[in-house]
Amino acid sequence: DAKTTQPNSMESNEEEPVHLPCNHSTISGTDYIHWYRQLPSQGPEYVIHGLTSNVNNRMASLAIAEDRKSSTLILHRATLRDAAVYYCIPRAYNNAGNMLTFGGGTRLMVKP
Amino acid sequence: DAGVTQSPTHLIKTRGQQVTLRCSPKSGHDTVSWYQQALGQGPQFIFQYYEEEERQRGNFPDRFSGHQFPNYSSELNVNALLLGDSALYLCASSLQTGSGANVLTFGAGSRLTVL
Repeated sequence: DAKTTQPNSMESNEEEPVHLPCNHSTISGTDYIHWYRQLPSQGPEYVIHGLTSNVNNRMASLAIAEDRKSSTLILHRATLRDAAVYYCIPRAYNNAGNMLTFGGGTRLMVKP
Repeated sequence: DAGVTQSPTHLIKTRGQQVTLRCSPKSGHDTVSWYQQALGQGPQFIFQYYEEEERQRGNFPDRFSGHQFPNYSSELNVNALLLGDSALYLCASSLQTGSGANVLTFGAGSRLTVL
């Protein structure tokens, strides 16, 4: 799986948008980009994934660069509950197994 | 709908002992995997079970073993415990689709402390 680079930590104010970047310059053309987050004292939780096009769901949006070497997870209005470690995880299209390679992730702190 | 359930939530063992952790997957899921998460680190993949067989394995010694039962539940066994085995052990389940787009559901984990 491709290597990823994410900021160690980011800070946001409550109810403001948050853009969490991820560089994955060695990604293969057929790798999905998954995002998971881990709230304190919980297991990781799926957020969103995409391949080429930008994706939206009820939790977040995923913006994928045209060259696919980077992506950005967008939380439209951060809440205190969004304080977590966010992991960006490339995953081969035919990787049917459950082997996810977690990096260090970005610790998001949300200020009231 | 219950998600992934793990037991016990916390346990303390001494060096050299053996431990068994248990996982019930989310309803409708048939694939279970286990991860180890040391304090301050991201989770590391241990192994995956599908159709009662180990299908993938991460870089862990054979002191770590597992089992999947016909009802898809799973156990993780660790023998000859070392201090370095102290960690949060996470179970994740999914439905086998043959695609890298499938989504994993994680449990809250079992916190193991080895003294």
